[in-house]
Amino acid sequence: KQEVTQIPAALSVPEGENLVLNCSFTDSAIYNLQWFRQDPGKGLTSLLLIQSSQREQTSGRLNASLDKSSGRSTLYIAASQPGDSATYLCAVIPYSGGGADGLTFGKGTHLIIQP
Amino acid sequence: DVKVTQSSRYLVKRTGEKVFLECVQDMDHENMFWYRQDPGLGLRLIYFSYDVKMKEKGDIPEGYSVSREKKERFSLILESASTNQTSMYLCASRLGGVVTEAFFGQGTRLTVV
Repeated sequence: KQEVTQIPAALSVPEGENLVLNCSFTDSAIYNLQWFRQDPGKGLTSLLLIQSSQREQTSGRLNASLDKSSGRSTLYIAASQPGDSATYLCAVIPYSGGGADGLTFGKGTHLIIQP
Repeated sequence: DVKVTQSSRYLVKRTGEKVFLECVQDMDHENMFWYRQDPGLGLRLIYFSYDVKMKEKGDIPEGYSVSREKKERFSLILESASTNQTSMYLCASRLGGVVTEAFFGQGTRLTVV
């Protein structure tokens, strides 16, 4: 069964720093990988979707990479701001189920950006 | 803008009550999902649906049922609410196909007392 792990579980950095969040998955048979952010008590907001055939996707200060063969993805946040403080989750769509199945999630990285 | 709307942000129900959580999406998506999120356990899939009147069990379906009578609406039903169903419930939808983005609602915080 697919397992998704995110390291670290929590991270606190000063404002302005560049940082990397890590996501690993046990089964490389995935259609795509999606990164989300979640603010306290709220739903999930989609940040980036990487197709299995892609190596990376960029949106503003965010860059996500995917190495499917090694089962890893990273989310790079440039020039961090206090508004980036949130929990970041990664999720994969497995081959099984033809894509109709739900995403399999990691437990997230709780990020705090210190002003 | 894509929109997934859950009917309530907060609910408080008594043990044994029948509880309905409603989710509506306006994107004509085929696939809809219900998750629950608990500290230390992350998001776990309860049920999903890939078409009207179709449903599939996820990882933790016990104590829940679902209904999808119309494409845009997916309901989660707690037949007899119990305290261990106190949780954050999240609805999501995706277009059909394998490389499509999932969108989530704002979540319903359910407390069963």
